[in-house]
Amino acid sequence: AQSVTQLGSHVSVSEGALVLLRCNYSSSVPPYLFWYVQYPNQGLQLLLKYTTGATLVKGINGFEAEFKKSETSFHLTKPSAHMSDAAEYFCAVSERADYQLIWGAGTKLIIKP
Amino acid sequence: KAGVTQTPRYLIKTRGQQVTLSCSPISGHRSVSWYQQTPGQGLQFLFEYFSETQRNKGNFPGRFSGRQFSNSRSEMNVSTLELGDSALYLCASSLLTSGSGIDTQYFGPGTRLTVL
Repeated sequence: AQSVTQLGSHVSVSEGALVLLRCNYSSSVPPYLFWYVQYPNQGLQLLLKYTTGATLVKGINGFEAEFKKSETSFHLTKPSAHMSDAAEYFCAVSERADYQLIWGAGTKLIIKP
Repeated sequence: KAGVTQTPRYLIKTRGQQVTLSCSPISGHRSVSWYQQTPGQGLQFLFEYFSETQRNKGNFPGRFSGRQFSNSRSEMNVSTLELGDSALYLCASSLLTSGSGIDTQYFGPGTRLTVL
């Protein structure tokens, strides 16, 4: 069965520092992988997705993620954190083309001035 | 193009009542998915509709039901409300022109349901 693990329910970084949010998944077949962001009192917005092809995926707002099959990971990074990045981030996986997503528990990103 | 809209945004009900939530997808989108979000359980998939047919269903009791209309608008219904049904209910739509495959899901702002 698929599962998604996000390491750390809260991650705190200083403004300008590297952001690294971890996501590991289990899947019996090549997965489709997604990162979404949720700002307070809002729905979720897609940051980036991996389906096939290049394993380094660039998304919006300067975020990127790399699919590492050997490590079953899809960690999200951003070189320099901005105050506006403070939000909750969700990793999701689907191994079926009919698009049922399995979600991680989410990581709240806190940006320190 | 207008985004996904959900109505109402906030709802307060009492135990035992029933509730209907509405979702209007982005114009042209044929797939609508529903999720429940709670602090304890996180995001959980409820069901997905494509062209008025329920294609996938999550692990929720039969009190949770949904439907999709010919214009792709969707409703979900929860009967005999319980305190544990208090949650943010999110709707997402996607294009899925072929009816299969992966496509980006666009989320609405959610309906915050409080059961007293």
